[in-house]
Formats: sequence, structure tokens, C-alpha cells
Amino acid sequence: DQQVKQNSPSLSVQEGRISILNCDYTNSMFDYFLWYKKYPAEGPTFLISISSIKDKNEDGRFTVFLNKSAKHLSLHIVPSQPGDSAVYFCAATGMNNAGNMLTFGGGTRLMVKP
Amino acid sequence: SQTIHQWPATLVQPVGSPLSLECTVEGTSNPNLYWYRQAAGRGLQLLFYSVGIGQISSEVPQNLSASRPQDRQFILSSKKLLLSDSGFYLCAWSVQGDHYGYTFGSGTRLTVV
Repeated sequence: DQQVKQNSPSLSVQEGRISILNCDYTNSMFDYFLWYKKYPAEGPTFLISISSIKDKNEDGRFTVFLNKSAKHLSLHIVPSQPGDSAVYFCAATGMNNAGNMLTFGGGTRLMVKP
Repeated sequence: SQTIHQWPATLVQPVGSPLSLECTVEGTSNPNLYWYRQAAGRGLQLLFYSVGIGQISSEVPQNLSASRPQDRQFILSSKKLLLSDSGFYLCAWSVQGDHYGYTFGSGTRLTVV
């Protein structure tokens, strides 16, 4: 039972354009969502997060949107740069989650072409 | 500042051999600790997590075990490796009772041959 899904395993975007990575969840107890970025042979690094009390959070070129009614969130990268090429993981957790466990999606590989 | 150390970075082991991967955290006390695995082309699978010394929860029944002998030390072990144990293993920590997500180690690439 995948509670967090990233239905697009890969995405290719031209440099300078917008990248949109999508994530869907099923557990209504999730109230905090995070995006991680992972380069090959490295650990994931935290990128941006959003609480369920918000519908948007912005940090430089990165914006995360949350649609609670649709149980959907998306990460927008504008403008996309070749250095953004990586695997992006969506993750979710809930306040009542013992151990603060994050549930991860399967990841989306973003390729930004120069 | 807090740091997480994970070693070794790469490991090639024969089938049937034992495994020990170590993870240590510095600069924090009583962290939550996690072991994840990323198989080739797959997402992050939670293997074990620990909320305190000697407290281990297993998420996936398998050929692996975990131990937490000290507050900031987390060890992933196997008595006999299988080919299917190959993958990229990640240790992570988070603050107890906090919501700020995880900090991951740099990972160990394990190849079982």
C-alpha cells in the first residue's frame, strides 16, 4: 500500500523552463510534507517543506504547492538549471507518527537539458 | 552543529558473508535513527528505525537486523548476505518529537556478488 506516490519516474526539461514534479498521498493523517533531492551515490538532502496549514511555500527558485482536498502536492522549479538534474523524493509525515517517520514516494528523476 | 557519519562508502561482499554497516551522529542527543535502502531504480524503503538505545523497530522482514548499542550509534547487520541485499543503504537521523524531517548520511553502496 503506497501511501505516497510519485507517478512520473522521470521528467526532462529544457534549461530555463519550469520543472513541475508531482506527488499524491492517500493518508489523511499526513500534515507535513517535504521534498528531498538526491544525486547519485549521495544521501538525499532536504530541499523544501510545507505544513498542511499552508497551501504554498516558496524558497528562491523552488515552490511547493499543497492541495489538501486533492491530497496532492507539487514542486515547481523556476528557472530550471542543469545542476537541478537529480532524483527528487516527496515525503510525508503526521504529528501523531511515532518516531517522526517519513513515508517516501518512489522518486522522480529530473533531467535538465542545457 | 550536527553531523552524521556513515561508512564504508562502498562495499563488495560475497554471498553468504556477514555485513556490518555503521552510522554515528554527532552534535545531538537522543535522536531518532533510521536505516533505508534504495534498490536500483527504486524508491527509499524504510528498513529499521530506533527511538532510543536498544529500541529497534523493523518495517520489512528480511535478512537484515539493526542494533543501537549507544545513543548516537546505529548498526545494520546481516549474518549471511543474499544477492538481493545489494543496494544503496542510507542512515538518517531526526530530532525527537520534532517535525523537521531527516538528515541523511552519505550512503553505502553494497554489492553482493
